Amino acid sequence: QSALTQPASVSGSPGQSITISCTGTSSDVGGYNYVSWYQQHPGKAPKLMIYDVSNRPSGVSNRFSGSKSGNTASLTISGLQAEDEADYYCSSYTSSNTFVFGTGTKVTVL
Amino acid sequence: QVQLVQSGAEVKKPGASVKVSCKASGYTFTSYNINWVRQATGQGLEWMGWMNPNSGNTGYAQKFQGTVTMTRNTSISTAYMELSSLRSEDTAVYYCARGDGSGSYWTHWGQGTLVTVSS
Repeated sequence: QSALTQPASVSGSPGQSITISCTGTSSDVGGYNYVSWYQQHPGKAPKLMIYDVSNRPSGVSNRFSGSKSGNTASLTISGLQAEDEADYYCSSYTSSNTFVFGTGTKVTVL
Repeated sequence: QVQLVQSGAEVKKPGASVKVSCKASGYTFTSYNINWVRQATGQGLEWMGWMNPNSGNTGYAQKFQGTVTMTRNTSISTAYMELSSLRSEDTAVYYCARGDGSGSYWTHWGQGTLVTVSS
């Protein structure tokens, strides 16, 4: 199972919106609505930001939103803030009853 | 509150095995899958496998078939991940995480356990 493809880095100025893509295949992202997104700050455990494509857990800012089209899922961060600077990973359930992560995206707030 | 507390850092020699524990509290241990994820220094997250604490059923990523074993002790609400035939490339932080919803996402994570493989 190959890792899902994400851009290595995305940057934006405070207040701007950015979008991170996560591209897989019809056997993972495209085949199931089980895509989740995680934020990870250095030295910390990952934190769930979006689950089942577009659902936001309690306590996560509504500046974070998720969507999916075909084999590509996306995470959008609106009103970018300094605290959003972190690594972001997508994950998807697969047809093999396993899971796969994306390659990870480093978000930089300029 | 839900907590997953992992065992401490380990240093192992190549070819050895390591067993990492993950003690759950704040919920019914047998009601949620436990997943294991690892992260080498400066690298991305890598999903290793899942275990159903109620049945003991497991599912492993193809890469780890034959080298990883996930078990549990329900009497002490603890999950275990044992990795054998260690190589230097297995040096990483290993996380346990509780599967939520349909088991498709992970809200609660352990603090991570650093496993260093070095001769």
